[in-house]
Amino acid sequence: AIRMTQSPSSFSASTGDRVTITCRASQGISSYLAWYQQKPGKAPKLLIYAASTLQSGVPSRFSGSGSGTDFTLTISCLQSEDFATYYCQQYYSSLTFGGGTKVEIK
Amino acid sequence: QVQLQESGPGLVKPSQTLSLTCTVSGGSISSGGYYWSWIRQHPGKGLEWIGYIYYSGSTYYNPSLKSRVTISVDTSKNQFSLKLSSVTAADTAVYYCARGGSGSYFGAIGYWGQGTLVTVSS
Repeated sequence: AIRMTQSPSSFSASTGDRVTITCRASQGISSYLAWYQQKPGKAPKLLIYAASTLQSGVPSRFSGSGSGTDFTLTISCLQSEDFATYYCQQYYSSLTFGGGTKVEIK
Repeated sequence: QVQLQESGPGLVKPSQTLSLTCTVSGGSISSGGYYWSWIRQHPGKGLEWIGYIYYSGSTYYNPSLKSRVTISVDTSKNQFSLKLSSVTAADTAVYYCARGGSGSYFGAIGYWGQGTLVTVSS
């Protein structure tokens, strides 16, 4: 099974910061990668698919990059509503999620 | 707009079978082109894919759960279901039903139910 490793597992940031979250696959997954945002008590929300394609309705401050085994999610200017937990997920072979990255208010 | 809604018991006894149903509205399962998933989240933990089913009945399961999982579809009711046998406390989680995109984006889950907490306890 393909393992997805996210880093960091959590960090603190301030509104307006540029933040980057990293996701690494245990083997190559081409661009079959998605990113989700989850807030407490809510279902995850799809932000990005195919590694870099923004889901409809998602603000342009979110962007994704990478292919193969190494991927990043970047939030260019952190807003108050962006404090949440973010997950990467591969769909190259079945589905596997990363362990999550919690973005907290500094 | 596709909507999904989970239903089923919130409390299951150890060793019994967990059964959940997902009712789909705003779109037909039988129209094809999509995989319909079950995903769970242990309290305070990350997301775990359980498996998915195609409208034709083809299924794919997480290898770690495969021996205990059955996912089925009832196109006449526009529902799909999850059965997880021989449950233990480790199966206590929020269970989500979900749908991915079409074609090569099948695994990008754009539609989620609200989730239902299932507790395994005697």
